[in-house]
Amino acid sequence: DSGVTQTPKHLITATGQRVTLRCSPRSGDLSVYWYQQSLDQGLQFLIQYYNGEERAKGNILERFSAQQFPDLHSELNLSSLELGDSALYFCASSVEDYYGYTFGSGTRLTVV
Amino acid sequence: AQKITQTQPGMFVQEKEAVTLDCTYDTSDPSYGLFWYKQPSSGEMIFLIYQGSYDQQNATEGRYSLNFQKARKSANLVISASQLGDSAMYFCAMREGLEPDTGNQFYFGTGTSLTVIP
Repeated sequence: DSGVTQTPKHLITATGQRVTLRCSPRSGDLSVYWYQQSLDQGLQFLIQYYNGEERAKGNILERFSAQQFPDLHSELNLSSLELGDSALYFCASSVEDYYGYTFGSGTRLTVV
Repeated sequence: AQKITQTQPGMFVQEKEAVTLDCTYDTSDPSYGLFWYKQPSSGEMIFLIYQGSYDQQNATEGRYSLNFQKARKSANLVISASQLGDSAMYFCAMREGLEPDTGNQFYFGTGTSLTVIP
């Protein structure tokens, strides 16, 4: 167990729907990062939050949004889902140093 | 230009042999960190090893070592005494800047699929 908790582990939904992915960082980690891993795009950085504030933005679609709550858990909201949004969505957190990320086990989203 | 390049989509190695997974990177930032992650078929991303741009010695973590050649901008992962459980995808990654939590994202390569043959 990495200490980063992601729920749900699997999600199957229909096109046009909206889903929310949840992430609880490791205890003490202030930063949460979201990544999308698809077969054709590899690992793509979506967005980072640090202590409740957006810190960096990557290739995140306008249909996607995220937030980090006072208890530091984060949610990634995906709306108007398309087939191409099917992917593994990772959350990662980091301590206050440059060492690196700890990844959660991911949420596998399948859009049908 | 790609920040991280992994040119080996797939590799095979005999059990108990050593294997080198290639990674080259591109940055103009003098301060950066290089990372390797393992992703088994179950999907989770497992941190393996880290090398900072100012580190004088190559990083080692058990059977993993990072062959850091700064002038060539390469950060190859060497796995010694391969085990069946080493079969997985391996990703090289880089973070530019060494300041903590400054919004510097990680750049990942496309990965190398390693298969260990009994």
